[in-house]
Amino acid sequence: RKEVEQDPGPFNVPEGATVAFNCTYSNSASQSFFWYRQDCRKEPKLLMSVYSSGNEDGRFTAQLNRASQYISLLIRDSKLSDSATYLCVVNPQDNYGQNFVFGPGTRLSVLP
Amino acid sequence: DGGITQSPKYLFRKEGQNVTLSCEQNLNHDAMYWYRQDPGQGLRLIYYSQIVNDFQKGDIAEGYSVSREKKESFPLTVTSAQKNPTAFYLCASSTLGGGDEQFFGPGTRLTVL
Repeated sequence: RKEVEQDPGPFNVPEGATVAFNCTYSNSASQSFFWYRQDCRKEPKLLMSVYSSGNEDGRFTAQLNRASQYISLLIRDSKLSDSATYLCVVNPQDNYGQNFVFGPGTRLSVLP
Repeated sequence: DGGITQSPKYLFRKEGQNVTLSCEQNLNHDAMYWYRQDPGQGLRLIYYSQIVNDFQKGDIAEGYSVSREKKESFPLTVTSAQKNPTAFYLCASSTLGGGDEQFFGPGTRLTVL
């Protein structure tokens, strides 16, 4: 089982739609969780950290379910500019000091 | 402005040549990382360093080497032993512990001719 898995995508949605991405992680000791956005041929940029109580930033909502080892990202009222690949990132807090493990990403295309 | 710089943005190399990719950060971060990304794929960790003069292999270290002589700098050398070096290389930094996010440089796109 891979350490971090994401919905395979791609997701093609119309403008204004609501879309949800899922991510699962294998290491139950993981402590920190993030969603990054990566545009084509660019570097990843932090979209939001994911907190235990869940958090919201405008149209974006992130949820964490530790019992199920599951993270989600909800995007409401999708915009054309939301088209990108969304990366789930987990800090496994293991003894190797490798702080961040990236999922393979889920590609989103918002269509006019 | 604080951030991470990588140079060059594009790099072309002939087979059999070593090449060094630069990564500099002025965020005062202790940890630095190198990732490789192939088209349509996720990020794979090559090397990381948590302190000056110390670094650890990641998942795909073969054919690569690094140094960490200064806190601000973490150059990556792609050696001729790397069988398929054409890829997008990303450098990142963070505070120690992983509680805070990673910051990424703009990347170097390496093409072997």
